[in-house]
Amino acid sequence: GNSVTQMEGPVTLSEEAFLTINCTYTATGYPSLFWYVQYPGEGLQLLLKATKADDKGSNKGFEATYRKETTSFHLEKGSVQVSDSAVYFCAPPRTSPGRRALTFGSGTRLQVQP
Amino acid sequence: GAGVSQTPSNKVTEKGKYVELRCDPISGHTALYWYRQSLGQGPEFLIYFQGTGAADDSGLPNDRFFAVRPEGSVSTLKIQRTERGDSAVYLCASSLRAGGPNEQYFGPGTRLTVT
Repeated sequence: GNSVTQMEGPVTLSEEAFLTINCTYTATGYPSLFWYVQYPGEGLQLLLKATKADDKGSNKGFEATYRKETTSFHLEKGSVQVSDSAVYFCAPPRTSPGRRALTFGSGTRLQVQP
Repeated sequence: GAGVSQTPSNKVTEKGKYVELRCDPISGHTALYWYRQSLGQGPEFLIYFQGTGAADDSGLPNDRFFAVRPEGSVSTLKIQRTERGDSAVYLCASSLRAGGPNEQYFGPGTRLTVT
C-alpha cells in the first residue's frame, strides 16, 4: 500500500518566497529517501536523496532532512524561482511486500509567479 | 551518456487489442522497474527486474499484464485485451542495483490511450 503522505497542492508562491512541502512516510528500518521533480512536459527527474537518518540531501537550492523521529522528509527552498514551477514527489520505498521499488504520493504542484 | 529510452512515445489502441511497450535502460543498470502514472497522480509500481528475473510483480493489476527482460537489458511490458482503464503513461526506470541508495532514472514514458 501507499506509505507516503504528501502535502496537497497546488502551492502558489511569489518569486523569492520560502517553500516547504511536507512529506511523512511509513517504513521498515531506515531506508533511503528521495524527492523527484516533474517539470512541465518532461519526465521524472531525481531532485535529491538522503541515505541515512539525519542526512540532509540538497540540490539546486532545495534541501530535505531525513528525520527518523518524525518519519518526515520535508522539502525546503529559501527562495523559489519561476523556473521551479513543477510537480514534486516524495518517494520512499514501498513497505510491502518488496521494498526495492518506490512509492509515490500524488505529488505537489508548485506554481511560482513573477 | 544515454538515458532510459522508451518506445513508442505514444500508442493509441482499440479496446480488446494487445500492446507491447518497450524500455531500454541505462547501460550497466541491473535493476529495471515499470510504473504507470494516471493523470494527476503519482507513479504506481507495477513490476521490477533484477537481471533477467522478475523480482517483484506484486504491482501488476491483473493477469492481462506481463513483462519480460530475457537478456537482462531491454524489457517489454505486454498488455492483453486492453481496457479503457489501462489508459495512462507507462514509465520505465533503471538503477545500478535494486533498492537502497541506488536512485532510479526514469524514461520519458509511453502514453497509452485505449479507445
